[in-house]
Amino acid sequence: EAQVTQNPRYLITVTGKKLTVTCSQNMNHEYMSWYRQDPGLGLRQIYYSMNVEVTDKGDVPEGYKVSRKEKRNFPLILESPSPNQTSLYFCASSPGTGVIWNTEAFFGQGTRLTVV
Amino acid sequence: SQKIEQNSEALNIQEGKTATLTCNYTNYSPAYLQWYRQDPGRGPVFLLLIRENEKEKRKERLKVTFDTTLKQSLFHITASQPADSATYLCALAGNKLTFGGGTRVLVKP
Repeated sequence: EAQVTQNPRYLITVTGKKLTVTCSQNMNHEYMSWYRQDPGLGLRQIYYSMNVEVTDKGDVPEGYKVSRKEKRNFPLILESPSPNQTSLYFCASSPGTGVIWNTEAFFGQGTRLTVV
Repeated sequence: SQKIEQNSEALNIQEGKTATLTCNYTNYSPAYLQWYRQDPGRGPVFLLLIRENEKEKRKERLKVTFDTTLKQSLFHITASQPADSATYLCALAGNKLTFGGGTRVLVKP
């Protein structure tokens, strides 16, 4: 089954403790992206990657890091989480190159992160 | 700056009626516009894509229009069913995918 898999689904952590949220897709997509979703603010892009070893900042990259060493994986790293990073996070992938979004995006099931 | 507006108020509609959602945008010239459905706590699911040179697109009970002069897209759910209750997101596609805040639809039996 074609899917984007995120782990974990739920995570509660303390301020400053490094964490990684994994994302994997089995559709051989080139484009992958991370979003956060907050009430009243909608989905906002954090980082995106057009291909292996190519990553770029989205609209809200501060406090996050990503890497794209393999085509299928795109982990999101919070080096020193803070309470304002409490949010619902989604990973997405697309067969498009990302230059023009003429194809659908496939989203993971989400990771609900709470930083206390 | 680019702005995408969807009605933040929930749309309550009776089963069998047509739900119409609006997506307005400013300072943007998207080549494509997409609509997604999102259920609580779950990831958005793609529904329809419409190109800038298309006026209308249909898929089963869904219809989307795209007016680049008005900078507006309308999303219609005909013969609505309680299972259509969800939040619907529009997304503008240029060099990236930018989402509106979504409109929650509640279909009552």
